[in-house]
Amino acid sequence: EPEVTQTPSHQVTQMGQEVILRCVPISNHLYFYWYRQILGQKVEFLVSFYNNEISEKSEIFDDQFSVERPDGSNFTLKIRSTKLEDSAMYFCASTLSVRETQYFGPGTRLLVL
Amino acid sequence: DQQVKQNSPSLSVQEGRISILNCDYTNSMFDYFLWYKKYPAEGPTFLISISSIKDKNEDGRFTVFLNKSAKHLSLHIVPSQPGDSAVYFCAAVNYNTDKLIFGTGTRLQVFP
Repeated sequence: EPEVTQTPSHQVTQMGQEVILRCVPISNHLYFYWYRQILGQKVEFLVSFYNNEISEKSEIFDDQFSVERPDGSNFTLKIRSTKLEDSAMYFCASTLSVRETQYFGPGTRLLVL
Repeated sequence: DQQVKQNSPSLSVQEGRISILNCDYTNSMFDYFLWYKKYPAEGPTFLISISSIKDKNEDGRFTVFLNKSAKHLSLHIVPSQPGDSAVYFCAAVNYNTDKLIFGTGTRLQVFP
């Protein structure tokens, strides 16, 4: 069964460093998302992406964040200058059509020291 | 932002019995609802969904009920199995967007 994959599974970085989280969505899916879950809190929407552009973003998704689909298979989330409060699980999701079920990857645990 | 609430942080049920997980929402613009199951260190796994034009959807052991007037939905699992032990999240979608708004989750434990 097709699934969303994410790399790395864990990432530890120093505050102020740049990180890139990678996702490979399900191959025929067209809509892509990033969510995050800070420990003990709910899963929060960050950004949605369709047709090579951002369709919607949350207040969390400020200028330090960017997304890209560089090669037609990968979908990346970049945090330019990480802060302590960026420590969280980051989940990628994809769907074939808008308002269809979103399928999630296993997540990347980011720890900013 | 408490648009989607799951007021029970945990639930413990005996194997074979029914598990009922509840979810309340405040935004009347939500028109699509989903339940996800999550194990530790894994991503949410889709279970079942319901559109606001329905009041019930069933898939095997899982049934979701939607009461629009009360802005309440529930997930019934029957019979419950030990493998159902996980955190369950309800999520809602506004009619003019496709982002998921998640509840805080309910940890279900099914014991033998």
